[in-house]
Amino acid sequence: QVQLQESGPGLVKPSGTLSLTCAVSGVSISRSYWWSWIRQPPGKGLEWIGETYHSGSPNYNPSLKGRVTISVDKSKNEFSLRLSSVTASDTAVYYCARRGQDLESGYYYMDVWGKGTTVTVSS
Amino acid sequence: DIQMTQSPSSLSASVGDRVTITCRAGQTISSYLNWYQQKPGKAPKLLIYAASTLQSGVPSRFSGSGSGTDFTLTISSLQTEDFATYYCQQSYNNFPITFGQGTRLEIK
Repeated sequence: QVQLQESGPGLVKPSGTLSLTCAVSGVSISRSYWWSWIRQPPGKGLEWIGETYHSGSPNYNPSLKGRVTISVDKSKNEFSLRLSSVTASDTAVYYCARRGQDLESGYYYMDVWGKGTTVTVSS
Repeated sequence: DIQMTQSPSSLSASVGDRVTITCRAGQTISSYLNWYQQKPGKAPKLLIYAASTLQSGVPSRFSGSGSGTDFTLTISSLQTEDFATYYCQQSYNNFPITFGQGTRLEIK
C-alpha cells in the first residue's frame, strides 16, 4: 500500500523559509511518477505548488515567483519542498501527492495523497 | 493559466437526490479533467479521471462526463457519506495544474 507522509515545522517566521519533507512508502520514488506539492489556505481551495520527477526536471507554479524548490532524495525515498521569503499568505495545509498516469489512456491524475500538514507563518 | 470555474459554489440536497456539479475550463482541455472529493480535515480523494473514468474503489453512483471546456460530475443517489466539497482539476499538458474553486455539498 502506497503511503505519503508530510513532516516539518508547523510554525515559520515571516521572511523565513518553509521546509517540508514527504516520506514515500510502498513504492520506490524512482518509479515513473511525478511527486507533487499542493496547498490549501484556511477555508479556501487547492493550489498546486509544483512537482518533480525522480531524475529532476521540476515544474513550478509561476505564481510563486521563483520562491519554490522541490527536490528528491532517492536514498531516503522522500522528496522535499522549500518555500522562501514566506508571508502570512503562505499559511496553509500543505499536501504531498503522487501524480500518476493511466498507461492505457495516458491521462494523469493525483491518486495518492498525504494527510497534510499545517504550516502557520507568524512571528 | 487555464482557469477552472465550478458551479454552483455550494449546494444543498437530501439523501437519495440526484446531484450535478459543473466545471468549465477557460480553454479546451479535451478530456484532461479529474474530480476529487474532500471531507473536512482530510486530504482530497480522486473520484474520476479522464473526465469519465471511475477510479478503482469509487462507488458507481458517481459519474463524470464532458469534453472540451464543459464537464459534469453526477451523483445518482446521494448517500450520507457524499456530503463533502468537490473539486475539478485540469491535467492538460499545460502548467500550472489548476483546480476549480470547489463546490460544497451540504445536507438539506
